[in-house]
Amino acid sequence: AQSVTQLDSQVPVFEEAPVELRCNYSSSVSVYLFWYVQYPNQGLQLLLKYLSGSTLVKGINGFEAEFNKSQTSFHLRKPSVHISDTAEYFCAVTSLKAAGNKLTFGGGTRVLVKP
Amino acid sequence: DAGITQSPRHKVTETGTPVTLRCHQTENHRYMYWYRQDPGHGLRLIHYSYGVKDTDKGEVSDGYSVSRSKTEDFLLTLESATSSQTSVYFCAISPSQGDRPLDGYTFGSGTRLTVV
Repeated sequence: AQSVTQLDSQVPVFEEAPVELRCNYSSSVSVYLFWYVQYPNQGLQLLLKYLSGSTLVKGINGFEAEFNKSQTSFHLRKPSVHISDTAEYFCAVTSLKAAGNKLTFGGGTRVLVKP
Repeated sequence: DAGITQSPRHKVTETGTPVTLRCHQTENHRYMYWYRQDPGHGLRLIHYSYGVKDTDKGEVSDGYSVSRSKTEDFLLTLESATSSQTSVYFCAISPSQGDRPLDGYTFGSGTRLTVV
């Protein structure tokens, strides 16, 4: 079985400061990893994904994430946040062994960007 | 997202009544999913479909049933709504590319369901 833990439920950060959102996963097989963003009262939007290859993945809106197999982590970072980055962020995992391409989500991290 | 729509967007219903939520896609994707979102729990899978009339349970399927009679439509039914089913429900779709989730999911805008 696969699982995802997002270590911070809320992260307050000042505008133009860097932010890191932590994600750890558990799985017995090779994984595919995703970060999604949910703006208030909206659905989820894909930020970035790791399928294979380079462990540093760049996504939309200046976000990037690094896959670390030995630490089973996939942390999300942005060097300088904007007010518009206020949202909830979800880490998710799946694998070839997951029937139906099922994604397992973490509990989410709320990012509040302060002026 | 233009390729996936959920209806209704909001619904208030009484305990014990049946409720059906609809997910419609125009992408011709093989996989469709129903998730519920609750604070602190992220998104949890209720049911999913891997083809017409092919469905399977997720981790929180009790009290829910689904049907998929056409590729484009995936219905979620709460057979007898309870207050614990008050939640935001999201539908998602995923293409099949050799069974690899290369593009992740595309999500609908959600249905906010309140059971009173």
